[in-house]
Parts: sequence; C-alpha cells; structure tokens
Amino acid sequence: QLQLQESGPGLVKPSETLSLTCTVSGGSITSPDYYWGCIRQPPGKELEWIGTVYFSGSTYYNPSLKSRLTISVDTSKNQFSMKLSSVTAADTAVYYCARQKEAAAGYWYIDLWGRGTLVTVSS
Amino acid sequence: SYVLTQPPSVAVAPGQTAGITCGGNNIRSKSVHWYQQKPGQAPVLVVFDDTDRPSGIPERFSGSNSENTATLTISRVEAGDEADYYCQMWDRSSEHRGVVFGGGTKLTVL
Repeated sequence: QLQLQESGPGLVKPSETLSLTCTVSGGSITSPDYYWGCIRQPPGKELEWIGTVYFSGSTYYNPSLKSRLTISVDTSKNQFSMKLSSVTAADTAVYYCARQKEAAAGYWYIDLWGRGTLVTVSS
Repeated sequence: SYVLTQPPSVAVAPGQTAGITCGGNNIRSKSVHWYQQKPGQAPVLVVFDDTDRPSGIPERFSGSNSENTATLTISRVEAGDEADYYCQMWDRSSEHRGVVFGGGTKLTVL
C-alpha cells in the first residue's frame, strides 16, 4: 500500500527557507496516473494548496506563493520536495504531502494524504 | 481565480440528515470532491467526482452538484461524523491552474 511521509525541519527562522521532502513508499512516483502535491494548514485554519508536480517535472503553483516557491521531483529517490523562501510567522502550519488522481477528464482530486508535519516559523 | 464558498458551521441531531453546501460560479460544470478532517488528523476523501464514494466510505455519505451549488449529504448522522468538511475542485479554466479548497464547514452533532 502506497504511503507518503513528510520530513521537515520542525522550526525555521524568519526570512530563511523552509524545505519539505515527501517520500513515496510502496509505489512509484513515476506512475503516469498521478500528480504529487503539497498542502498546508495553519493552526485552527483552513486547508491551503501550495503546489503540484508531475514526475516529468511539470509544476503548478499557488499564485499567492509562486514568487517564493519551488517544487521539484527526484525520481531516483522516489521523492518530491518543496522549498519556500523568505518565510514569516504566517507560514507556520502543518504541511501535508498528497497524491492527486484524475477524476473527470482534466479534474484532479487528492486520494492519499501523508500524516503531516508541523513547521513553526520563529526566531 | 475560482472561489468555493462553504458555511462555517452546520449542526444536526444524531440520526438526522446533514447537508453541507459548496457554492461556486457554474460549479455544475466542474468536478467537486469532499474531504472529512477530524482534529489532529489528515483529511480523508469521502466523495469524489461529485457523487462517487471511495471504497470504505459508508453509503450514508453522498454528493450532488447542480447549477451553482454542490452538496455533501450525510444521512443518519452519527457522533463519529463530527468533523470539518472541505470541498475541493481543480481549477483548469484560469491562467493559474491548480487545487482550490472551500473554507471548510464544521459539522457539530448535537
């Protein structure tokens, strides 16, 4: 059974870069049927999509984060990664890795989530 | 970009039916998905592509989509259904394609 595991720093200082790695186990990240995504949720708040990557390297980013965001894939390690630069306290959140599957043609949903990891931005 | 609007809260007595709405412009033409999130846990998919249920999700959970409102209906509500519920779609119509979530609805079982 495929699983997603987030690994992150736990604590990041303001103005630094937040790095999150998502490891896919029990399946291949190169499956053509799936996209891979990052989602976050500030404490007590709603879900916010960060971005999505395909195994080929194609990406889709949340416009509000695009200027600070890079998502990449490493097929040799079966991982995808997110880097968010110039973080502030507003970036404090639980960060989730997710697998996206196509429903109706051209529409994607999340069929599998990681357990999430809390990242706190504080000096 | 596309906006999905949900009521902040819905309350229902056990055994009754709960309806959670998700509003969006011409949402009927989109494919809408629903997630359940309990405190301290990751979300779980309960309905996809407007009306389909993943394996393991009870038949009590159903979805519909018409005109400008998609709805998640939970029949014979149980205490264990108390959670936050989010609708979601993939915006492929705008310059910035991507995942869109509604603001979430807290379901309280009275």
